[in-house]
Amino acid sequence: NAGVTQTPKFRVLKTGQSMTLLCAQDMNHEYMYWYRQDPGMGLRLIHYSVGEGTTAKGEVPDGYNVSRLKKQNFLLGLESAAPSQTSVYFCASSYVGGLTGELFFGEGSRLTVL
Amino acid sequence: SQQGEEDPQALSIQEGENATMNCSYKTSINNLQWYRQNSGRGLVHLILIRSNEREKHSGRLRVTLDTSKKSSSLLITASRAADTASYFCATMDSSYKLIFGSGTRLLVRP
Repeated sequence: NAGVTQTPKFRVLKTGQSMTLLCAQDMNHEYMYWYRQDPGMGLRLIHYSVGEGTTAKGEVPDGYNVSRLKKQNFLLGLESAAPSQTSVYFCASSYVGGLTGELFFGEGSRLTVL
Repeated sequence: SQQGEEDPQALSIQEGENATMNCSYKTSINNLQWYRQNSGRGLVHLILIRSNEREKHSGRLRVTLDTSKKSSSLLITASRAADTASYFCATMDSSYKLIFGSGTRLLVRP
């Protein structure tokens, strides 16, 4: 079982460029989340989804867009990257939003914006 | 700002000792979860405690929850060098958002 897979694992962008991070899960989970983690800090929620076709804002949604066209995939887009978006991005999924169980995390995508 | 704040930010103990980490939060929750993160890796779920529970055990882990004080603690007994990691509490509210605290970095010296 792959679990939660994030691609790419590493990416370097120039300011103003755009990119999309892909999160794929093979556990048939309803809920999916995108977080960012900056050095020495905890995770901050960017956007999340409680089902196919639905998305909602988290703590730090500005500068990011998301889409959940298929249940197994959750895409995070940066339309115009800024140096402040340099971070490690983590995707997670769960069966019922963590009410009765755990979130499963990917291994992270390290993004550097120059 | 983040929902949960952990205390201490860093903790260094000898192998075999117990490690206690505390978490405080600000708003009403459905449940509180603890996660572990090894350096450079994703997070791994350790334990979940519901808002109507006061204490929960899992192996060498003991979690308490005091909703009146909006606080939780994680106790790791008989620590091992392999327990060295960062530990995060996370709270889930009624909208299914899971918000993480700032974490405690635990170092267990052999």
